[in-house]
Amino acid sequence: KAGVTQTPRYLIKTRGQQVTLSCSPISGHRSVSWYQQTPGQGLQFLFEYFSETQRNKGNFPGRFSGRQFSNSRSEMNVSTLELGDSALYLCASSLDGRSTDTQYFGPGTRLTVL
Amino acid sequence: DQQVKQNSPSLSVQEGRISILNCDYTNSMFDYFLWYKKYPAEGPTFLISISSIKDKNEDGRFTVFLNKSAKHLSLHIVPSQPGDSAVYFCAASAWGGSEKLVFGKGTKLTVNP
Repeated sequence: KAGVTQTPRYLIKTRGQQVTLSCSPISGHRSVSWYQQTPGQGLQFLFEYFSETQRNKGNFPGRFSGRQFSNSRSEMNVSTLELGDSALYLCASSLDGRSTDTQYFGPGTRLTVL
Repeated sequence: DQQVKQNSPSLSVQEGRISILNCDYTNSMFDYFLWYKKYPAEGPTFLISISSIKDKNEDGRFTVFLNKSAKHLSLHIVPSQPGDSAVYFCAASAWGGSEKLVFGKGTKLTVNP
């Protein structure tokens, strides 16, 4: 069974631009969560999608948004990029998104904002 | 306000010895705890979990202990192997919680041959 895939793996953008990251979950998984990893803050939860609906949201500004498609694939969008958005963005999938479901992570997208 | 804390950024042990990684939490609503291992350039990999109704869970060389009264959990690796060298993240979740997994900042474990 293929794991969680994320594209692109690396991205360089400049301040003010916007970016879209993509995540394909493990086949059969319906919940997709996004996390931001930075050296200073560790992994922080962005949001979770289940059946095309945002079910949970972390404490990030509205510039961070996402969506989920009917095939459970998910995209994350960051508008008006800031230098502080440079981070590793991780996507994780699980069967139903219950708190006891194991989340399986993708390799991440390394975003650099110049 | 960090709800999950891993106070040791790094730990170095000799191959064959025990590695003990610690984690503290502040939110009493957390009822499920996990450990993830992360190698460079890869996403975190699930290692072991424990529910708040238990105080110990074992899987091969890995054992997680939970002390609810102290809001503390630890991961024991016995015996430690060089391939265990990675960053270990402690994570917690609460049933119905809106924040899903809350992670600590990680502890970098180095196992020396």
